[in-house]
Amino acid sequence: EDQVTQSPEALRLQEGESSSLNCSYTVSGLRGLFWYRQDPGKGPEFLFTLYSAGEEKEKERLKATLTKKESFLHITAPKPEDSATYLCAVGVNAGGTSYGKLTFGQGTILTVHP
Amino acid sequence: DAGVTQSPTHLIKTRGQQVTLRCSPISGHKSVSWYQQVLGQGPQFIFQYYEKEERGRGNFPDRFSARQFPNYSSELNVNALLLGDSALYLCASSGDRGAQYFGPGTRLTVL
Repeated sequence: EDQVTQSPEALRLQEGESSSLNCSYTVSGLRGLFWYRQDPGKGPEFLFTLYSAGEEKEKERLKATLTKKESFLHITAPKPEDSATYLCAVGVNAGGTSYGKLTFGQGTILTVHP
Repeated sequence: DAGVTQSPTHLIKTRGQQVTLRCSPISGHKSVSWYQQVLGQGPQFIFQYYEKEERGRGNFPDRFSARQFPNYSSELNVNALLLGDSALYLCASSGDRGAQYFGPGTRLTVL
């Protein structure tokens, strides 16, 4: 069974204090590793897709990396507006031509204090 | 371009009632997936529809059903509501490149 585990469950940072979030996964036949940001009461916002070990993607203060067993979301010099829940998910082909089923971790709640 | 839209935004029902949630995908996306998210957890997969056919189903009871229309919009139906069905219901659409884009969700409260 596909499993995704995120750590830590919650992370408190001071503004400008860089850190990393971890996502470890067990899946048969990875079809993509996805990172999302979710603000309270809203739907997840797509950040990155990683397809193969060694791949890296960057967007503003965020950088995602992928190995064969885990992914990291690095946050450089975070600001209070980066506070949110960050979700990691693995894609599995549910039978269609797109990645129909995502298996999510429980998320990491990031709080950045000014 | 408009993103994924869902209606209604909030819904309050009582146990035993039935509910229908609606979703319109991003223009050009043919795949729609439904997820349930309870507080403090990640979304859990319910269904995927692609080209109006069910392509995947998660571990949910038969009280949950869905369909996709010729314009690729979708409905999720839940019968015989239980207190435990209270959650944020999310719809996501995707094109052929894989990333799923989520709507704002429908908050369902069962009393």
